[in-house]
Formats: sequence, structure tokens, C-alpha cells
Amino acid sequence: EDQVTQSPEALRLQEGESSSLNCSYTVSGLRGLFWYRQDPGKGPEFLFTLYSAGEEKEKERLKATLTKKESFLHITAPKPEDSATYLCAVPANQAGTALIFGKGTTLSVSS
Amino acid sequence: DAGITQSPRHKVTETGTPVTLRCHQTENHRYMYWYRQDPGHGLRLIHYSYGVKDTDKGEVSDGYSVSRSKTEDFLLTLESATSSQTSVYFCATKPGLAGGYEQYFGPGTRLTVT
Repeated sequence: EDQVTQSPEALRLQEGESSSLNCSYTVSGLRGLFWYRQDPGKGPEFLFTLYSAGEEKEKERLKATLTKKESFLHITAPKPEDSATYLCAVPANQAGTALIFGKGTTLSVSS
Repeated sequence: DAGITQSPRHKVTETGTPVTLRCHQTENHRYMYWYRQDPGHGLRLIHYSYGVKDTDKGEVSDGYSVSRSKTEDFLLTLESATSSQTSVYFCATKPGLAGGYEQYFGPGTRLTVT
């Protein structure tokens, strides 16, 4: 069964304190791994797509990396505005018509 | 961002009443999806559509039906709402297969069934 597991469930950081979020997956024939950001009361906002092991994508203080079994979202020198829930997802089947989501990591950054 | 709107944004209804949620997109995306999001479960697929009048079930489809009569609109109907359907519902869209697998989400509808 295809699964996506995110850890930790919650992470509290001080402003400027770098850390990483983990997303591990078990799916046959990976057709991409996606990271989303979700703010309270809003829909998930697409951040990155990673397609192959070794690939990296960056956006401001965020960098996503991918291995054959997991992905990391590295947050460098976070700011309070980076506080949100971060979700990762993989396509569920060959046609890629649905995504399987992890339960998310809720990040809180305090000043 | 894909132009996706959902209506209503908030709704309170009573057990046993029918409820219809609407998703409207302006991006001409082929695929549309309905998810529900609950604490401890994350986002789960209810139904999806791969074209006008073409729909299929997702992981948690019991008690829900969908319709898509136009490319831009995807309706989710709860035939007889139950308290277990209290949730936040998100619509998402995706271009055709050639456009990649990432999905784009609407702002959500918070539904409370009393």
C-alpha cells in the first residue's frame, strides 16, 4: 500500500534556528514528490515538485531534496512568517490522477 | 495560482439534509478533485473527475456524489448529511497528464453538520 509519513508532527524553532522536515514514502515507481504549505484556514499552496533522487529545489529560505526513500524540506534561518503546516504528497497511481498526502508537519517560528 | 473558488465558504446544516458544495475554476484544467481534511487524517480523496461527465471514486466516497457538467464546475453533494461529514472540504485541479502531476487547491469550505 502506498504511504506517506511525515515527521515530526510539530516543530518549534526560534527565529534563525535552521532545521529540516522529513517525508518518507513507500510507492512503486515514483512519479514525483510534492511539497505544499498550508496556512490556517486556507488551502494548500504548491511549493515544489521533485522527480528524481538527487534533485533539489529552492525557494527563499526553503530547500527540498529527494532520495529514493524520502524527501527533506530544509528551512534555513526561518522567520515567523514561515510558520505554517507543510505537507508532502506523491501520486497514488500510474495515471497520477490522485495524490496521497502525509499528515503534515506544523512549524512554529518564534521571534 | 489556478483560479479556483469554492462556495459556500462556511456552512452549518442539520443531520439528514442534502448539501451541495461548488468548485469553480478558470484555468480550463482537465482534472478536478474533492478532498476532505480532518485532524489526524490529513487530506483524503473523496471523488475526482477526469473530464466533463467523467468521474470516479476516491478513498472516502461513501455518502458523497459528484457531478461535472462543465469543465469549470465540479459539484460535491452530500445526499443526507451526517455528523461524521463535518470537515473542511477542498477542491483541487490539475492540467492534463502532459501538464505534470501537481494539483492546485481552492480556499476550502468548512462544513458543520449538527
